[in-house]
Amino acid sequence: NAGVTQTPKFQVLKTGQSMTLQCAQDMNHEYMSWYRQDPGMGLRLIHYSVGAGITDQGEVPNGYNVSRSTTEDFPLRLLSAAPSQTSVYFCASSYSTRGIYNEQFFGPGTRLTVL
Amino acid sequence: GDSVTQMEGPVTLSEEAFLTINCTYTATGYPSLFWYVQYPGEGLQLLLKATKADDKGSNKGFEATYRKETTSFHLEKGSVQVSDSAVYFCALSGSGYSTLTFGKGTMLLVSP
Repeated sequence: NAGVTQTPKFQVLKTGQSMTLQCAQDMNHEYMSWYRQDPGMGLRLIHYSVGAGITDQGEVPNGYNVSRSTTEDFPLRLLSAAPSQTSVYFCASSYSTRGIYNEQFFGPGTRLTVL
Repeated sequence: GDSVTQMEGPVTLSEEAFLTINCTYTATGYPSLFWYVQYPGEGLQLLLKATKADDKGSNKGFEATYRKETTSFHLEKGSVQVSDSAVYFCALSGSGYSTLTFGKGTMLLVSP
């Protein structure tokens, strides 16, 4: 089991460029989420998905798009990068047991710098 | 909405000292509560969890008890080691939600 994988590990973009952060999980988890981590802010939810074909916005969705065409993959797209999107991005997956949501499993993160 | 408040760091301790990191929450219903740990340059790992009131989560010598009456989930360890140096995050999963609300994190620095 690879768990949750993310690529790339590091990325530098120029303002206005677009890119896709990849996330995949091999645990057959229903739920997947994207968070960003900024100093002194903890982790904040960007978008999440409760199953293939179903996504919803989190706390800080502006400037990001997601789709979930398969259970395994949940890519995050930056439409037009801005310096405010410089951050560390974490993808996570989880599952439920008898209606109780279990812990989230996190990927290793992508460190993004926008110049 | 849901929120988590945890003590600001850094918390600086000597090896074998007692550790407490305070965490309180605001949520409707019956959330599940978690502590995650992040070592430098790494992702988040689950440290322990509790899914209902009065549950005690424990792992690697760390403990936390879900106190609904005080809406708290304080993290404790009796004797810290240098290897415990990391950032600790308290988080909750609200009733009916698959996502987490995080506190801002507390950095722990343990010196020999």
